[in-house]
Amino acid sequence: NAGVTQTPKFQVLKTGQSMTLQCAQDMNHEYMSWYRQDPGMGLRLIHYSVGAGITDQGEVPNGYNVSRSTTEDFPLRLLSAAPSQTSVYFCASSLGQGVDYEQYFGPGTRLTVT
Amino acid sequence: AQSVAQPEDQVNVAEGNPLTVKCTYSVSGNPYLFWYVQYPNRGLQFLLKYITGDNLVKGSYGFEAEFNKSQTSFHLKKPSALVSDSALYFCAVSRVYSGAGSYQLTFGKGTKLSVIP
Repeated sequence: NAGVTQTPKFQVLKTGQSMTLQCAQDMNHEYMSWYRQDPGMGLRLIHYSVGAGITDQGEVPNGYNVSRSTTEDFPLRLLSAAPSQTSVYFCASSLGQGVDYEQYFGPGTRLTVT
Repeated sequence: AQSVAQPEDQVNVAEGNPLTVKCTYSVSGNPYLFWYVQYPNRGLQFLLKYITGDNLVKGSYGFEAEFNKSQTSFHLKKPSALVSDSALYFCAVSRVYSGAGSYQLTFGKGTKLSVIP
């Protein structure tokens, strides 16, 4: 199993540009989520999905869209990038959404918005 | 709202010495507590969790954590530190929502552990 994969690893955007961060998992996990990691702030939940076709907002959803058309994929879209979105983005997945289920994290995407 | 505090931004310890990384939490209801480790340029890896039962939880790589309900703490410990333990450590708390609601992890800010040879 490849686990949780994320592309690209690095990206530089100009303010106002749009892009999609890709996340895929091959573990047949139902629960997937996106976090952003900023220095001194830990990880903050952006959006999550409990299964294909179902998504919901996390702690910091503004400026981001998600969709979940398949179990495997959970892309994160930035519609109009802003410098405040400069961060490291992590995708995670777990078999279920209960506390008994370990979350598996991807390697991250480092995004810089100028 | 649930929250996690990691009071130390950095912990330095000599190789072979015991290490402790501190975590305190605030949550209504029963807490579910986790420790994750992040090595440079990598995603987070699960170390251990406390759901219920024994207050001392053993996890990966020789780490353990002690749940203390009266002090609302969940400190990470290891009897003898290795240089390879140097990494960023995150404590997280989860609360189970009732019914069909989801659970969410709330992470602390992270503590950088440096083990000095």
